[in-house]
Amino acid sequence: DAGVTQSPTHLIKTRGQHVTLRCSPISGHKSVSWYQQVLGQGPQFIFQYYEKEERGRGNFPDRFSARQFPNYSSELNVNALLLGDSALYLCASSSASGGGNEQFFGPGTRLTVL
Amino acid sequence: AQSVTQPDIHITVSEGASLELRCNYSYGATPYLFWYVQSPGQGLQLLLKYFSGDTLVQGIKGFEAEFKRSQSSFNLRKPSVHWSDAAEYFCAVGAKTSYDKVIFGPGTSLSVIP
Repeated sequence: DAGVTQSPTHLIKTRGQHVTLRCSPISGHKSVSWYQQVLGQGPQFIFQYYEKEERGRGNFPDRFSARQFPNYSSELNVNALLLGDSALYLCASSSASGGGNEQFFGPGTRLTVL
Repeated sequence: AQSVTQPDIHITVSEGASLELRCNYSYGATPYLFWYVQSPGQGLQLLLKYFSGDTLVQGIKGFEAEFKRSQSSFNLRKPSVHWSDAAEYFCAVGAKTSYDKVIFGPGTSLSVIP
């Protein structure tokens, strides 16, 4: 079975632009979470979506938004990009929500903001 | 507030030597605890997790971890390190909420000397 897939692999944007990152969960998984991993740090939780509803949100500005589609794939959108948004963006899927479900991570999208 | 500390930023061990990576957490109750490994260009892979019960947890690739409530620690161990174990290791704590927010530590980079 295919694991979590993310696209694109790499992305270069300039300050002020908008970016959309995409994630396809493992087949049968209904939960998708997004994490930001700045170089040299651990991943930071951004959002979790379950059954197309936002279930949790981390401490990120409103420039960050996400949505989940009927097929459980997800998009992460970031507006008005800042240099500090340069990071590896990880998507994780799980079969349910809460209760410490095991999350399966994709390889990530490397975003560079110039 | 929940937090995770990993005191060692970087560790170097010889192949065949034993390994212990330290992790301390802060949480109001018994948390869910995880260890993940991240190899260059790869997503995060779950090594093991602790939810409840036996405080010594066995994981994949010969890793184990011990939960010590009195010390708020969840240290990762391996009796004999292989060169392929060189990677970044993250300790994480999961909230017992309705969603899957996971808080990661800053990571420990492991180098293995042949």
